[in-house]
Amino acid sequence: DGGITQSPKYLFRKEGQNVTLSCEQNLNHDAMYWYRQDPGQGLRLIYYSQIVNDFQKGDIAEGYSVSREKKESFPLTVTSAQKNPTAFYLCASSMVSGENLYTFGSGTRLTVV
Amino acid sequence: AQSVTQPDIHITVSEGASLELRCNYSYGATPYLFWYVQSPGQGLQLLLKYFSGDTLVQGIKGFEAEFKRSQSSFNLRKPSVHWSDAAEYFCAVGGVLTGGGNKLTFGTGTQLKVEL
Repeated sequence: DGGITQSPKYLFRKEGQNVTLSCEQNLNHDAMYWYRQDPGQGLRLIYYSQIVNDFQKGDIAEGYSVSREKKESFPLTVTSAQKNPTAFYLCASSMVSGENLYTFGSGTRLTVV
Repeated sequence: AQSVTQPDIHITVSEGASLELRCNYSYGATPYLFWYVQSPGQGLQLLLKYFSGDTLVQGIKGFEAEFKRSQSSFNLRKPSVHWSDAAEYFCAVGGVLTGGGNKLTFGTGTQLKVEL
């Protein structure tokens, strides 16, 4: 079945460390997105990519980095510069034409210890 | 800039009762509007969407929503709630990105509790 996979489901990080969250899709979607979810704040866009080797900042990109070397993969690195990294991170993908409906992954919960 | 307001943080209803979750949006053009549902620790599932046409849209699990341009609203309704509907519900407005794809702006969510 086609879908979008995020790993790991739970991740713990020490302060000052970088950590990379994985997002892989086999839906042949061109666009991929990273959102951050905090209680009471909904989801906020971190980065998105519409094509391989290109990506754009979203609303809260500071302290994060991404790459898009393959169409199927869009990893997110949470760097030590991110002041409040503890959150639930959701990856999504969509086509870039037609209705552009999102498919979401099941998320990664990152906790800084 | 696009924005979404969900004024109700928590709602509790009895099983079998009707439900209405409120959503107001701000968007410069004709909006793309969505309702998603999220179970704890999971991703988001699309309940329904509005792009154009009939302002009353039907979705999965017996949900419907009505687009009212004059009120900038897109409220979600269900005539009879089931215990399994307990979850968090998000309204979102979509803006087409230059180059394709959608940027979704989400509301802060409404947590639905169902009393048996």
